[in-house]
Amino acid sequence: AQKVTQAQTEISVVEKEDVTLDCVYETRDTTYYLFWYKQPPSGELVFLIRRNSFDEQNEISGRYSWNFQKSTSSFNFTITASQVVDSAVYFCALLTMFSGGYNKLIFGAGTRLAVHP
Amino acid sequence: GAVVSQHPSWVICKSGTSVKIECRSLDFQATTMFWYRQFPKQSLMLMATSNEGSKATYEQGVEKDKFLINHASLTLSTLTVTSAHPEDSSFYICSARDQYGYTSGRTPYEQYFGPGTRLTVT
Repeated sequence: AQKVTQAQTEISVVEKEDVTLDCVYETRDTTYYLFWYKQPPSGELVFLIRRNSFDEQNEISGRYSWNFQKSTSSFNFTITASQVVDSAVYFCALLTMFSGGYNKLIFGAGTRLAVHP
Repeated sequence: GAVVSQHPSWVICKSGTSVKIECRSLDFQATTMFWYRQFPKQSLMLMATSNEGSKATYEQGVEKDKFLINHASLTLSTLTVTSAHPEDSSFYICSARDQYGYTSGRTPYEQYFGPGTRLTVT
């Protein structure tokens, strides 16, 4: 079974704090992709990162960083020095390649991040 | 590159009427498109997978006769909500898959999302 768990429903921080959003996934496939999307109040999904199952290198992009650990099936997302503009719902998603069907993208429940001034 | 548009961005319709939502891939061919529905404060739920030139595949619990999907070309899929009711009010998001993405440096089978359509049925 394929599943994505984002245990944190809502997180509230004060500006400039660091915050980590957790994502745990389940799959039996050896080839898969993991994604993070941001959904601001406008509703449009904003792609943040894609990581394939063979690349466990962590990635940093400005204030954003991602920690991929296959041993714990986790793909956590950290925002450093958070800003009000980071307030949004963040979704972690799993795309498996060989589970049949049409390679469905499976979303976690999302984490609503509120950054207060 | 990899731009997907949706039209309309929002629509209000009366109960009992039908409404059509368009999803277009603007700069790539999409043999497969996906339709999602998102209720307030919830995640995206896949409704159906649309393949160009063939019938859509619906997820369990999604009424085929209510949510009609037509994928008539490699760049256009439409979702028609028939006999809409207030409970159909939701945010509908489409995505398109660039099947030949690997030839343009993209990840194969990655989905590119449209901006969404907010449907309100009164």
